[in-house]
Amino acid sequence: NAGVIQTPRHKVTGKGQEATLWCEPISGHSAVFWYRQTIVQGLEFLTYFRNQAPIDDSGMPKERFSAQMPNQSHSTLKIQSTQPQDSAVYLCASSPGQAEVFFGKGTRLTVV
Amino acid sequence: GQQVQQSPASLVLQEGENAELQCNFSSTATRLQWFYQHPGGRLVSLFYNPSGTKHTGRLTSTTVTNERRSSLHISSSQTTDSGTYFCAPNTGYQNFYFGKGTSLTVIP
Repeated sequence: NAGVIQTPRHKVTGKGQEATLWCEPISGHSAVFWYRQTIVQGLEFLTYFRNQAPIDDSGMPKERFSAQMPNQSHSTLKIQSTQPQDSAVYLCASSPGQAEVFFGKGTRLTVV
Repeated sequence: GQQVQQSPASLVLQEGENAELQCNFSSTATRLQWFYQHPGGRLVSLFYNPSGTKHTGRLTSTTVTNERRSSLHISSSQTTDSGTYFCAPNTGYQNFYFGKGTSLTVIP
């Protein structure tokens, strides 16, 4: 079990460019979560899928952020027109339903 | 959404001392996890403890569901325990809300 896999581990984008982050949940897990972590804001919830369906995206900045889960083996978080304030560590987690949650190592996004 | 308060915000211990970390939350939780994060590291699950008391090694977690609180006790602290500890409760098929964490520094 390789755990939750996130790629890339580090990404540097220029202001205004698009960034796509990938997450491969643990096989068999039905729930996938995306969080963002910064020193100032701490851990912020972004969005949550259950059985590939979007359940709660209340934490997503609607204008430029979007998330998808086209199949049970991966989810993507896309940020359009990246801004310096989007710089953060983006964390993906998965869970087998109403049970323990496991996190990936995260993707550190730097917008220059 | 769920409001999570963790205390203390930071803690400095001499190696060998014990630590008690508190987590209070605003809404009933059916799931609760404690996580540890070393600076720059992954969030590692320490306990999945929705109720009652659980032990692993030098760590003990106690959750009192109807009082909406949980605690994490670290006995005989070691320098390798340094890092940030997060509490995350949730209810049913909802997302986890995190507290701001307790930053622990253990000095030799």
